[in-house]
Formats: sequence, structure tokens, C-alpha cells
Amino acid sequence: AQRVTQPEKLLSVFKGAPVELKCNYSYSGSPELFWYVQYSRQRLQLLLRHISRESIKGFTADLNKGETSFHLKKPFAQEEDSAMYYCALSGPSGGSYIPTFGRGTSLIVHP
Amino acid sequence: SAVISQKPSRDICQRGTSLTIQCQVDSQVTMMFWYRQQPGQSLTLIATANQGSEATYESGFVIDKFPISRPNLTFSTLTVSNMSPEDSSIYLCSVESLWTSGGSSSTDTQYFGPGTRLTVL
Repeated sequence: AQRVTQPEKLLSVFKGAPVELKCNYSYSGSPELFWYVQYSRQRLQLLLRHISRESIKGFTADLNKGETSFHLKKPFAQEEDSAMYYCALSGPSGGSYIPTFGRGTSLIVHP
Repeated sequence: SAVISQKPSRDICQRGTSLTIQCQVDSQVTMMFWYRQQPGQSLTLIATANQGSEATYESGFVIDKFPISRPNLTFSTLTVSNMSPEDSSIYLCSVESLWTSGGSSSTDTQYFGPGTRLTVL
């Protein structure tokens, strides 16, 4: 069974501070990992995925297969980063790729 | 990418009634999904809406409670039947579509509708 764990329900930091949103997963295989973000009053949207190895809005996430983690990081948080962040895993199940989501971490960046 | 719209955006319903939520996509997609996001909880997949066949339900969800239609490749509906206050939630439609990175790779990505906020009194 695949599972995604986001241990922090809420993360509160000050502007300019580093941010790390934790995500651990459980999957017997090679999954695809994603981070989704939901800003206030907006729809859920893809932030980044591990396969692309890119930085979006200053955020990066490295897949660590040894630790089964996919933590989301940003060196200097901005107020506009305040949002709900969901880590998700997608792996083949019965021929399809149905993602599993973590419960989400609410990030609040104070001025 | 895919642009998804949902109707209604929100509704307040009485116990015992039913509500049908519509999901429209601007392009043809193979897979459409319905999720539920209860307060303080993660996204939970209700079912996969299949075009031309019955929806595939996840554990804990049944067709009698959440009937789904998928008449074509751009549209789906989810009905929440015989509602109770425990059904109060945000219901999200999602589709799987190709995402391309600079033309060198393409994989499936999920896109989400804006959600329908349901309150059952």
C-alpha cells in the first residue's frame, strides 16, 4: 500500500527564514512524487514534481530514496508563500497511476 | 494543461436531499477523478470516472451514495445522495493530462477543479 506522511499540520515562519516542509512516503517500487499548493481562495495546483528537478517560485524538493523522503525547501520564505501544501505520490496500481495525498501542511509566513 | 470548471461552487443543503456536482474540462481526457477534502483532512479519492463504463470506487465509497456519470471525455457528474452533515466537505474534480517539460519528457499530471463546498444542515 502506498502512503504519504506530512508530519506537520502547521508551519509558521518569519519572512526571510528558511522553510522545509517534510514529506515521507511508503511505496514498494519507484514512485513519482509531487508537491501541490493551494493558495487562499484558489484551486489546488501542481507546484513541482521530482522528475523535473526544477525550482518553482524558489522551492526545490529532492527525492531521497534511502530515507523515503521528498521534503520541500525554500531558503528565504516570502509572505506570498503562505498556503496549504500537499505532498503526493503516484505509482502504478492495477495499470493506472492513482495518486495518494498527504494530509497537507499549512505554511504561514509572517512579515 | 487542462482547465477545469465545477458547478456549483458551493451549496447548503438539507439532510436527506441529493446534490449533483458537474465537472467540465476544456479538452478530452481519459481519466477523471472525484476527491473529497473534509476539514482538516487530506484529499481522499472517492472514485475514478470512466467513460463508457461504471466508475471505479475506492474502499469506503459506494455507487448508491455517490453515483457518477461520465457521458463523454470532457464531462462528469458526482451526486451526493441522501446527504447527512457528515457529507459536508469540499468535493474536487480532477483530470489526468499530459505534462511536457521542454519537449524532452512527458508524463501524466493531475489538474484540479476549483472545488465545490458542500454544507449539509
